[in-house]
Amino acid sequence: DAEITQSPRHKITETGRQVTLACHQTWNHNNMFWYRQDLGHGLRLIHYSYGVQDTNKGEVSDGYSVSRSNTEDLPLTLESAASSQTSVYFCASSSQRTGARNEQFFGPGTRLTVL
Amino acid sequence: RKEVEQDPGPFNVPEGATVAFNCTYSNSASQSFFWYRQDCRKEPKLLMSVYSSGNEDGRFTAQLNRASQYISLLIRDSKLSDSATYLCVVTDTNAGKSTFGDGTTLTVKP
Repeated sequence: DAEITQSPRHKITETGRQVTLACHQTWNHNNMFWYRQDLGHGLRLIHYSYGVQDTNKGEVSDGYSVSRSNTEDLPLTLESAASSQTSVYFCASSSQRTGARNEQFFGPGTRLTVL
Repeated sequence: RKEVEQDPGPFNVPEGATVAFNCTYSNSASQSFFWYRQDCRKEPKLLMSVYSSGNEDGRFTAQLNRASQYISLLIRDSKLSDSATYLCVVTDTNAGKSTFGDGTTLTVKP
């Protein structure tokens, strides 16, 4: 069955370190998204991509970067981790940009703690 | 003001009750609407899309009012398993982005 996976599921790191979170989907979806979710907040969009070599900034992109070299993967990099980036990170994908069926499918999440 | 606003609750209801959640959005260019369900900080999962004419899926009914920029979700005959956080999602397909509400928490009690 097609799926979307994230790794690692849990990560503890130190302030200032570079961290990369992996996201891999086998749906063959063109669209991929990264969100963070903090207590008291909903999901906030970090970066998104509509296809290979395409990346776009979301509402909370500062301190994060992504690259899209193939359809299946959209890794999220924290250039220099900060305590404010402690959060749960969700990756998602969707097949369409338009229409009522452009729902997103989510990975299981990565719980990141920056000490 | 947030782009998508929901009453955070919590809503505590007995089994068998009917409960309704509301969601308002500010971007009039929004074109697609969804309700997602999220359990205990696990990944959100699609509950149902929301169509202009309203739609029903078993005990769940979703309504959309474009003029008032308002979406609702009605749950009838609540089950213990309905306990979760319900997220309202609004998509501007021109901009290609979805905006999530902060969620409404429902607890169904025996």
